[in-house]
Amino acid sequence: DGGITQSPKYLFRKEGQNVTLSCEQNLNHDAMYWYRQDPGQGLRLIYYSQIVNDFQKGDIAEGYSVSREKKESFPLTVTSAQKNPTAFYLCASSLIPGSYYNEQFFGPGTRLTVL
Amino acid sequence: DAKTTQPTSMDCAEGRAANLPCNHSTISGNEYVYWYRQIHSQGPQYIIHGLKNNETNEMASLIITEDRKSSTLILPHATLRDTAVYYCIVRAVMYSGGGADGLTFGKGTHLIIQP
Repeated sequence: DGGITQSPKYLFRKEGQNVTLSCEQNLNHDAMYWYRQDPGQGLRLIYYSQIVNDFQKGDIAEGYSVSREKKESFPLTVTSAQKNPTAFYLCASSLIPGSYYNEQFFGPGTRLTVL
Repeated sequence: DAKTTQPTSMDCAEGRAANLPCNHSTISGNEYVYWYRQIHSQGPQYIIHGLKNNETNEMASLIITEDRKSSTLILPHATLRDTAVYYCIVRAVMYSGGGADGLTFGKGTHLIIQP
């Protein structure tokens, strides 16, 4: 089946620890995105990547880092510098960056809780 | 990207048409209207998009006013599974392939389908 997978679904970490969230897609999409969602709120863009080995900051990149070494993978690291890391994290991909179609496909999300 | 305004919540009876309004009075000529929905604790799902003509697909219809300052998403025969938060997003398109920044999600409309 084609799609986006995120693992794990639930993640617990102690305060001060870095944690990496996985995102893999087998849709052969060029662009990938990371969003954060807090309770009762919309999604906010953390980072995005148009092609391998290239990525740009979104609206709330502070305290996060990403890499794009392979087309199908876009892991997100939540560092200890992120002041409020507890949130629902969503990964997405789209076929052609900037195209009129611009449909984004989302993964199931990872709910991160920092204790 | 232009700002959108949506009601916080709406109810609709099962089997009836659900009409979800969205105001985007500052929309510019190269901006499309996109609709996504998010079922509780899942990733958002693309529904439909349009520029100025009405659009229909297997999920919904999109009616855009002639002046493009507002639009309505129509779910023709709502079912309980349509209960979700619906997001109206206005997004510019750049045919040169640039502009791969993500979508801006507001708080959306929480549609509740009543049995």
